[in-house]
Amino acid sequence: AQTVTQSQPEMSVQEAETVTLSCTYDTSESNYYLFWYKQPPSRQMILVIRQEAYKQQNATENRFSVNFQKAAKSFSLKISDSQLGDTAMYFCAFMKPSTYSGGGADGLTFGKGTHLIIQP
Amino acid sequence: DAGVTQSPTHLIKTRGQQVTLRCSPKSGHDTVSWYQQALGQGPQFIFQYYEEEERQRGNFPDRFSGHQFPNYSSELNVNALLLGDSALYLCASSLRGGKLFFGSGTQLSVL
Repeated sequence: AQTVTQSQPEMSVQEAETVTLSCTYDTSESNYYLFWYKQPPSRQMILVIRQEAYKQQNATENRFSVNFQKAAKSFSLKISDSQLGDTAMYFCAFMKPSTYSGGGADGLTFGKGTHLIIQP
Repeated sequence: DAGVTQSPTHLIKTRGQQVTLRCSPKSGHDTVSWYQQALGQGPQFIFQYYEEEERQRGNFPDRFSGHQFPNYSSELNVNALLLGDSALYLCASSLRGGKLFFGSGTQLSVL
């Protein structure tokens, strides 16, 4: 079974600063996907960024980028030029490729989350 | 284009009762997954439905069951409710393993 660990329950930074959220995971799989999700007070999970384990290049999405270290099983999220709207819970998640050919995807394994607060 | 919609948004039940939660996937999606998110925790995978069959299941007892209809909408049923079943229940849809889209959840309180 996979486990995902987020060791920072809460972080607080000033607007426009850069912040890095940590995530480590444990798996025996060689091929898998990693995700960062944002959950604002509306409770809806929003995909921030996705990384495929077989790709060595770190994923980026505008102000969001990851540092994927496969050997160390580490997957951190960097938010540049942080904005007030970035305030939310952030969850790191793991998914292994589907185990059946009919479609769909395996379930996600989530960490406990990091509450990120952007101060004005 | 409506995203993933869940109903009801809030629900209060008493121990021992049964509850049904509903989910309509995003237009064009054929796969629905359910997650339980306890207060202060990350979501936990309950199960996934594709082509009206349960395809994957997390570590949840048989009290948790589901159904997917021909129009791809889905229901989550929980029998013999326990206090520990109080949580936010999230539904997510996708098209054959693609990007997951989540709904805003149903907040279930068991008294």
